[in-house]
Amino acid sequence: QKEVEQNSGPLSVPEGAIASLNCTYSDRGSQSFFWYRQYSGKSPELIMFIYSNGDKEDGRFTAQLNKASQYVSLLIRDSQPSDSATYLCAVEVGGGGNKLTFGTGTQLKVEL
Amino acid sequence: GAVVSQHPSRVICKSGTSVKIECRSLDFQATTMFWYRQFPKKSLMLMATSNEGSKATYEQGVEKDKFLINHASLTLSTLTVTSAHPEDSSFYICSAWGQAEEQYFGPGTRLTVT
Repeated sequence: QKEVEQNSGPLSVPEGAIASLNCTYSDRGSQSFFWYRQYSGKSPELIMFIYSNGDKEDGRFTAQLNKASQYVSLLIRDSQPSDSATYLCAVEVGGGGNKLTFGTGTQLKVEL
Repeated sequence: GAVVSQHPSRVICKSGTSVKIECRSLDFQATTMFWYRQFPKKSLMLMATSNEGSKATYEQGVEKDKFLINHASLTLSTLTVTSAHPEDSSFYICSAWGQAEEQYFGPGTRLTVT
């Protein structure tokens, strides 16, 4: 069964710290990986996507992908209270069709 | 980035009635759109893939006769929840792939069936 797993949290970090969010997936055929942020009552918004092994940085966000370990993570540097949200990891299902499988999300709380 | 809109944003209906939700891609053409539902504190569950000009592809366990999907144009897909019941109350979200191969989500429609 193709699954995406995340720790539901909540993950609490102090303002200014680095938040580390992790995700594992079961489908070795997956090629594309996405991180979405979802505020309560709102729809997900795309933060980053990553296709290749290694790190990809965009501002305060860094996505890390290790296909051998089937692991993808998101680092948020200098965490702000406005980063408090649920972060969803999504994996494009192998075999085409552009379908995404989502993890259950990790709730992040950035405390003052 | 690409913009996807949904209408209505919120709807309350009585049990037994039908509700139509529209999903539009505003600045790009989308041959494929997706419909998700999300229960409180749960993740998104893909319901179906909406294909322009052809029948939708439903995920296992989703009743195609209850959740009617029509993708009549390259910018519009509709989801009709037929004979809605309280257990259909949920947050329905559509999405479409933009030209940069990123999936963008609409703002969602919160359906409450009384």
